[in-house]
Amino acid sequence: QKEVEQNSGPLSVPEGAIASLNCTYSDRGSQSFFWYRQYSGKSPELIMSIYSNGDKEDGRFTAQLNKASQYVSLLIRDSQPSDSATYLCAVNQGGKLIFGQGTELSVKP
Amino acid sequence: GAGVSQSPSNKVTEKGKDVELRCDPISGHTALYWYRQSLGQGLEFLIYFQGNSAPDKSGLPSDRFSAERTGGSVSTLTIQRTQQEDSAVYLCASSPTGLNEKLFFGSGTQLSVL
Repeated sequence: QKEVEQNSGPLSVPEGAIASLNCTYSDRGSQSFFWYRQYSGKSPELIMSIYSNGDKEDGRFTAQLNKASQYVSLLIRDSQPSDSATYLCAVNQGGKLIFGQGTELSVKP
Repeated sequence: GAGVSQSPSNKVTEKGKDVELRCDPISGHTALYWYRQSLGQGLEFLIYFQGNSAPDKSGLPSDRFSAERTGGSVSTLTIQRTQQEDSAVYLCASSPTGLNEKLFFGSGTQLSVL
């Protein structure tokens, strides 16, 4: 079992829709969770961090964490074509940051 | 510098040759990571330096890979006797303390082994 798992996609949504990205992790002791966005040919950039169970909202982005289920998700409301990118889930496990394989999101105009 | 600097940006080498990749983190950042990203894949953890502590080398794929960080600043990732499967983008990232923070990534080194 991989330490951090994501569906590779691609996930395709129409412009204006909600995009839902999911991630599961293996280490029950993990305490900090991150979502990074990576445009093609570019380096990853942080868009959200979450540390407590529940929801955390920042503009059109909402991160959701359920430690009991070892599950973290990212919702993107009112998706725009500029949101088309690969979204990487990252989990601090054993003191180091481990990334999932990423989910490719495509937002169609 | 203003950001994490990596050099070279591109490296083409022949199978069996050794290569050195350099990372210059943001000044004052104590934590430094190396990751590898193959085409269309996620980030594969390689090694983590935190201050003066012994590095976490658990992600290095073989003994052909090694890394050092001199003076708590610049880091060099060395790959000996390169193989074609080593071809990937090697990304370096740093953070101020390494404690549940945002990572700042460099632009990466694209390594191609012919």
